[in-house]
Amino acid sequence: KAGVTQTPRYLIKTRGQQVTLSCSPISGHRSVSWYQQTPGQGLQFLFEYFSETQRNKGNFPGRFSGRQFSNSRSEMNVSTLELGDSALYLCASSLGDIPTGNSGYTFGSGTRLTVV
Amino acid sequence: DQQVKQNSPSLSVQEGRISILNCDYTNSMFDYFLWYKKYPAEGPTFLISISSIKDKNEDGRFTVFLNKSAKHLSLHIVPSQPGDSAVYFCAASGYGNKLVFGAGTILRVKS
Repeated sequence: KAGVTQTPRYLIKTRGQQVTLSCSPISGHRSVSWYQQTPGQGLQFLFEYFSETQRNKGNFPGRFSGRQFSNSRSEMNVSTLELGDSALYLCASSLGDIPTGNSGYTFGSGTRLTVV
Repeated sequence: DQQVKQNSPSLSVQEGRISILNCDYTNSMFDYFLWYKKYPAEGPTFLISISSIKDKNEDGRFTVFLNKSAKHLSLHIVPSQPGDSAVYFCAASGYGNKLVFGAGTILRVKS
C-alpha cells in the first residue's frame, strides 16, 4: 500500500512570505500529525488532526496553522515566514481512533523548507 | 522544557560490536516509549517500542530496556552493522496521539 506522501519535497521562500505544505496519509488512516525537525532540537510537535478536527496542538505561534480535509489529506500553512522557520517538516499518519502512540506513526519523507 | 533527552549527540561503534543508545525522560506519566531510525532525506521509521509496564522488549538484533525508577531507557543493537548508521530518536507518549521526541543520536558503525 502507498505510504505517506508529502509535497513538495523542497521549497525555498523569502522572509515574510507564506507557504502551504501538503500531506496525504496512508489510506484508511484518519490521524495526521505534523512535526518540525531542526538540528539539535529533534522533532517538535506542531499539531494533530483527526477527522477534520485539530485534536492536539504543540507550542508554536499562531503563524503555524493546519487543516484536514474529508479524505484525511492535510495541509500545513506558515504565514509571515521567518529565517528560523527553515526546517524539515514531517507529516505522520496513524489510525488514531483511540489516541495512542504505542504502535508508532508512519512518517512521510518530509518537506525541506528554506527561508532566505 | 525537554521532557525526553538524548544526551549523546553521536556514537561510533565497530561493526559486529554492541551499540547502546541512551534516553532519559522526566515525565512519569509517559506510558509508551518508542525508538525511530532516520536516514538522510527520509522520514523516521519505527523501530521498536516498549510499554511502561515492561522492562524489556526484544526484536531480532534490537532490544529496548526500560528502567522506570531511573526514568531511563536504552536501545541495544547486537551485532551492529554498517547499515545501522543513522540518526536514532527516542520518543515517549502519554497524552493522546502525540509523541515527545529527543534530539536524536547519530550512530556510525565502522566496518
